[in-house]
Amino acid sequence: AQKITQTQPGMFVQEKEAVTLDCTYDTSDQSYGLFWYKQPSSGEMIFLIYQGSYDEQNATEGRYSLNFQKARKSANLVISASQLGDSAMYFCAMRGPRAALIFGKGTTLSVSS
Amino acid sequence: DTEVTQTPKHLVMGMTNKKSLKCEQHMGHRAMYWYKQKAKKPPELMFVYSYEKLSINESVPSRFSPECPNSSLLNLHLHALQPEDSALYLCASSQDLGFQETQYFGPGTRLLVL
Repeated sequence: AQKITQTQPGMFVQEKEAVTLDCTYDTSDQSYGLFWYKQPSSGEMIFLIYQGSYDEQNATEGRYSLNFQKARKSANLVISASQLGDSAMYFCAMRGPRAALIFGKGTTLSVSS
Repeated sequence: DTEVTQTPKHLVMGMTNKKSLKCEQHMGHRAMYWYKQKAKKPPELMFVYSYEKLSINESVPSRFSPECPNSSLLNLHLHALQPEDSALYLCASSQDLGFQETQYFGPGTRLLVL
């Protein structure tokens, strides 16, 4: 069975600082995708970044980068130069051969000025 | 354009009512999903449609009835709901069911069952 673990219920960071949100996963599949989503208090799930199990390079999308360590089964999200608008819940998710996205419990990020 | 729309945004219904949630996407995606999310919890999959056919039903009670009239539309018909069904209902779509395909979510419908 697939499992996603996010061990940080809450993280606090000041504007312009970088922050790392942790995610570890467990799967017996060889082919899988790892995703990060942001969910503000409005409720919408916003896709941030994707990493495929066969990708050799770490994914980057603007201020977001994914630190993918396959042997450790970790896929940490790094947000550089935090902004007040980054305050939200962040979910790590995995998708294997079956269709469902399996989500972690989420990390609440609070950015202060 | 990665937009998925959902209506209504908010819904209050009694336990004897019948209502429907609607979801629409115009990205040419062939897979569509319904998720249920309780407060401060991750989303949980309810149904998956692939090429307009029901592909996965995660043992959802029959008071929830999905429908996919065409490749762009997904409905969730609600009947005789319970107060514990109050939640945020999220619709998503993806190109297909491949593991590498990103699911794009709509803004959700906040449902309150009285």
